[in-house]
Amino acid sequence: DVKVTQSSRYLVKRTGEKVFLECVQDMDHENMFWYRQDPGLGLRLIYFSYDVKMKEKGDIPEGYSVSREKKERFSLILESASTNQTSMYLCASSFTKSNQPQHFGDGTRLSIL
Amino acid sequence: AQSVTQLDSQVPVFEEAPVELRCNYSSSVSVYLFWYVQYPNQGLQLLLKYLSGSTLVKGINGFEAEFNKSQTSFHLRKPSVHISDTAEYFCAVSPFSGYSTLTFGKGTMLLVSP
Repeated sequence: DVKVTQSSRYLVKRTGEKVFLECVQDMDHENMFWYRQDPGLGLRLIYFSYDVKMKEKGDIPEGYSVSREKKERFSLILESASTNQTSMYLCASSFTKSNQPQHFGDGTRLSIL
Repeated sequence: AQSVTQLDSQVPVFEEAPVELRCNYSSSVSVYLFWYVQYPNQGLQLLLKYLSGSTLVKGINGFEAEFNKSQTSFHLRKPSVHISDTAEYFCAVSPFSGYSTLTFGKGTMLLVSP
């Protein structure tokens, strides 16, 4: 089975901190994705990566950056956390072809105080 | 660009009753269609997908969905629900070409009561 592992299930940080969310997949997937999930808004794509060191902006990239130094690992960075970034963050991975499903981690519930 | 509309934010239903969760999409290009389920405190899990061929697709846990190209719909159905089906359900589309990103609907919460 594909395993997508997010480093933390729950995280509490303070406004202005730099926050790192880590995601690791074990299926040699080329693509990796970061979403945020908010009640009533569904999932919104923040950034994705289709190869090592490659990244593309999603629908809501403002306030975030990403890093993919190794194929299996994709990090989401909140440069200076703000309260409006309190949310559930979901990581996913998939093979390149768009008919391939994405596989999701269990999410990180991030609270910014 | 693509968009996905799930008209019902919540669908309450009694156990053993049938259910239909509605999904409509809009796209200027051909798309693949997916349904995902999210149980409480978990990530999303693939229920089923439509890639090509027969418009009726069967998924896990007794769910099925029918692709209707003329109505740009992909409604999810189950003839008899269980308490354990209580979860949030997301419809999503991915374009045939280009980056394999998913565009999600806002989700439908299925609430099954005894």
